[in-house]
Amino acid sequence: AQSVSQHNHHVILSEAASLELGCNYSYGGTVNLFWYVQYPGQHLQLLLKYFSGDPLVKGIKGFEAEFIKSKFSFNLRKPSVQWSDTAEYFCAVNTGGFKTIFGAGTRLFVKA
Amino acid sequence: NAGVTQTPKFRVLKTGQSMTLLCAQDMNHEYMYWYRQDPGMGLRLIHYSVGEGTTAKGEVPDGYNVSRLKKQNFLLGLESAAPSQTSVYFCASSTQGKGLHPWVNEQFFGPGTRLTVL
Repeated sequence: AQSVSQHNHHVILSEAASLELGCNYSYGGTVNLFWYVQYPGQHLQLLLKYFSGDPLVKGIKGFEAEFIKSKFSFNLRKPSVQWSDTAEYFCAVNTGGFKTIFGAGTRLFVKA
Repeated sequence: NAGVTQTPKFRVLKTGQSMTLLCAQDMNHEYMYWYRQDPGMGLRLIHYSVGEGTTAKGEVPDGYNVSRLKKQNFLLGLESAAPSQTSVYFCASSTQGKGLHPWVNEQFFGPGTRLTVL
């Protein structure tokens, strides 16, 4: 069965630190990849997505993610985090049907 | 635009009771989804709909029923609630994409309904 793994369940960083959240999926075919974020008290919203083309995708608020097909990975990065990035981050994978598989989420806490 | 709205926001049920969660979207989206979110498990798809009058099973459909009588509304029903259905329920909607798989696109989520079944 297809699955999505987010390796870190909780991450604590200080402001200005660099961020990398891991995401791996298990599927050998064409994939559509997403990162969603849920800020405290708010809806889930899209950070960025990859469907095709340049494997380095830039999203909102300075986030980017790189699709590495050979590693089945879609890691999320940000060079310098801010306190306002405190949120829960979800990686999601769609393999072509109507069902998108979500990872368990990573809670990020940024210390001011 | 209100986007995706859900009612109620909170609910406590006793085992065996029934209830309906309402999801409404004002973006004229074709596709709608119901997910549940449990600690450590991410979001799991319960049911989805690709258009008015159509529904389909997702990953965890047992114990739930859905209906989409109007394009803007997607109802999730629990006929006989069980403690295992204690969860946070999210509704989402999306429109057709333009890529290789046009049914895959960004989903817009509602604020969630926190349901506790005692």
